[in-house]
Order: sequence, then C-alpha cells, then structure tokens
Amino acid sequence: DIQMTQSPSSLSASVGDRVTITCRASQGISNSLAWYQQKPGKAPKLLLYAASRLESGVPSRFSGSGSGTDYTLTISSLQPEDFATYYCQQYYSTPPVTFGQGTKVEIK
Amino acid sequence: EVQLVESGGGVVRPGGSLRLSCAASGFTFDDYGMSWVRQAPGKGLEWVSGINWNGGSTGYADSVKGRFTISRDNAKNSLYLQMNSLRAEDTALYHCAREASNSEAFDIWGQGTMVTVSS
Repeated sequence: DIQMTQSPSSLSASVGDRVTITCRASQGISNSLAWYQQKPGKAPKLLLYAASRLESGVPSRFSGSGSGTDYTLTISSLQPEDFATYYCQQYYSTPPVTFGQGTKVEIK
Repeated sequence: EVQLVESGGGVVRPGGSLRLSCAASGFTFDDYGMSWVRQAPGKGLEWVSGINWNGGSTGYADSVKGRFTISRDNAKNSLYLQMNSLRAEDTALYHCAREASNSEAFDIWGQGTMVTVSS
C-alpha cells in the first residue's frame, strides 16, 4: 500500500498569508493526487485533482504542484473561509485509496 | 442537484451487523464508480471500500476485508455497505463518495451516517 505523509499536521496563519502544505507518497504516484478541504461537521470537498487541476468552482487562490513522490497545496492569500482541515489522497495504486493524515489550518 | 444521501447508521453491539445505504440523485448513477469512506471521531479519512460502475469489480481496505461487502443497485440508484462482525474500531461517520469522471478523485460526497459499535 502507498503511504501518504502530510506536513505540517497543523499550522497557524493570518488572513492574507501564503500557506503551503506538503504531501509525500511512499512511492511515485505519477500525479494521481487529489486535495480536499473539510470544515467541521461537513463532508470533504474536492479542491484539486491530477495534482494541479482545479476542480470547477474552486477559487484560483488554491493551486497544486509536484511530481513523483512530493506534492504541494498552496493557498496564495488565505481567506477567512479557508480555515479548515486539508487532506491529500493518492489514486495511483488502488485498492486501497489512501489519504494523508490531514493538516489543520487555524487562525493565528 | 447532484446529491448523495446515506442512511442506515446506528448503535450496534460488537459482533453485530448493519447495512448502510446511499441514495444517489441528480446524475446518471451507473456512469460512476462509488466508494465508502469513513472518519472516526476526531480522526482523518479512511477509505473503506469501492465498486465500479456495474458492480463487477470491488475493493476493500484490509481492516474490513472479509467482514464488509459493498454492492450497488443501478436500477434503484443506490449503493450499499453490508457490515458484519462489527468492532469498536469501526465506530465512525461513513460517507459515500462518487469517483470523478475525469480522475479517480472523489468529487461528490454525502454528509455521512454515523455507526457506533459499543456494548
């Protein structure tokens, strides 16, 4: 199984900050990576797929990059509605689909 | 509106069984693969099981293999998860999720149904 490791597990940031979250796979996943946002009490929401493709309706301040085993989610200017937990997910080698452990973005 | 609505959760004793359902609407159900993803209280996301568009291919997490069975009824636009031999560690919010048509990411999620395994 492919293990997904996110870092950091949590971070504190202010509105307007640039935020970067990293996801590392235990083996190459050929850009078969998605990022999700989850707010308390809500279902996860797909933000990006194929590492860098923005899901329809997602603001352009969200972007993704990476290759091989290392991937990054960047929020260019953090907005109040962006405080949430973010998960990466690989779908390169399934089953099983595997998720990172999550990164909680909190208000500084 | 594209929607997934889960039902069937509840409180069950260890060793018991439950059958979860997921009703799909607003899209052509049999065009899509589907999965169940769970989230234990205060924890992260864990994929449980997936099924392809016609039910001909299924997959399971090692933690549930041999105990859970995924199925679908395309005529009823419904996804199911039969859960047997339940354990305390199966306690979680169970979401059904749709695989996107252009990737294997999950583009539509239900709000989930809570399963509590406790004596």
